[in-house]
Order: sequence, then C-alpha cells, then structure tokens
Amino acid sequence: GNSVTQMEGPVTLSEEAFLTINCTYTATGYPSLFWYVQYPGEGLQLLLKATKADDKGSNKGFEATYRKETTSFHLEKGSVQVSDSAVYFCALLGGGSQGNLIFGKGTKLSVKP
Amino acid sequence: DAGVTQSPTHLIKTRGQQVTLRCSPKSGHDTVSWYQQALGQGPQFIFQYYEEEERQRGNFPDRFSGHQFPNYSSELNVNALLLGDSALYLCASSLKGSGQETQYFGPGTRLLVL
Repeated sequence: GNSVTQMEGPVTLSEEAFLTINCTYTATGYPSLFWYVQYPGEGLQLLLKATKADDKGSNKGFEATYRKETTSFHLEKGSVQVSDSAVYFCALLGGGSQGNLIFGKGTKLSVKP
Repeated sequence: DAGVTQSPTHLIKTRGQQVTLRCSPKSGHDTVSWYQQALGQGPQFIFQYYEEEERQRGNFPDRFSGHQFPNYSSELNVNALLLGDSALYLCASSLKGSGQETQYFGPGTRLLVL
C-alpha cells in the first residue's frame, strides 16, 4: 500500500541556517505530493504541493521537487526564521479514486535566535 | 473567502458518551474528509463524504459515523467513547473532479475523553 516516510525529529537550527527535511514515499500510480505545516495548537496549513514528476512546489521560501526516480519530495529552505518553528508533515494523495491523504509522522522544527 | 470552519474548538466527554463534531467546507468545495490526529502523530484518515454519501473509509470502527448535508457541511459522530478516542479531529475540504483535489484543513476540534 501507499506510505510516506519522513526523517525523525526534532530538528533544531539557528536562525538563517539551511533546512532540509527528507521525505520518501511508496505509491502505486501517480500520486500528488504535499507538505503541510502545523503551528502549536492549530490545524494543518498547506505549505506547497506538486502533482507530477519533476514539478517543484514553492511557497514562503520553502521548496520541494517531486523526484519519481528516487521517490522523494524533500523540503528545503535556504534561511530559516524563528517563525518557521512548527511541525512539518509530508503527505501523498493517491491517484485515481483514492481520496485520502497519507501522512508521514511529522518532523518538529525548532529555530533558535 | 471563508476557509474551513469547525465546531466546537474543544470538548470534554466521559467514556461511553457520544459526541458530534461539525465542519463547514471552504466556499466552492463539495467534498469533506475527516482525520484523527493523536498527540505527536500524523493525521489518520477516517472517511470522506461527497454528494451526501460516504465514499471512502479508513481503518476505523463503526462507532465512527458521519453525515453530509445538502449545503456540503458535515458531521462526525463517535459513539461509545473510549479513552483512546482523545485526539485532534481535523476536517478537510476539497473540490471533487478538480484534477488535483487539494485538501484544505480546518483548525480542528480537540476532544478529551475522561
């Protein structure tokens, strides 16, 4: 079945450091891939998405590229801020009639000033 | 443009009770999905409603049921509550047939079962 594996956290960085959160997936067909962010005590916010191989999703300085050959969708940001502290979830939406998102376990990011 | 809204924000129940959670989708969306997020975990899919019918279901017992109304809003009902049902319940809405069906989430309802 479909699954998502994320690097385990927590990840602690200093402000302006480079961020990478690894995400790999297993899926049949052609899934869409997503990164969601969850701030403390809140729901999930869509951060970025990619719907086909080689697509790059980007938003608020974050980027991720859909790599079919390595079944990966790693999240990157060149210079993190304290306000980026949150939990990040990688997710996939299977193709066809599959309407459910499958999430990774989440990676908690803490950015120190 | 109103996003996804959920009510109530917090709820405390005791074991064996029943609970109803409510969700209004983002304007223009017709599909509602429900997820359960236990503390420190990723969300788990409960079920999805479209055209007032349950279209897909995750690995949850029959104690979890739902409904979708003609205005696309939805309810999640949980009967015979267990301590393990304590979680954040998230509603997500999307537009069926849009080709991408990106799901947008509400703020969630935090349920505590004592």
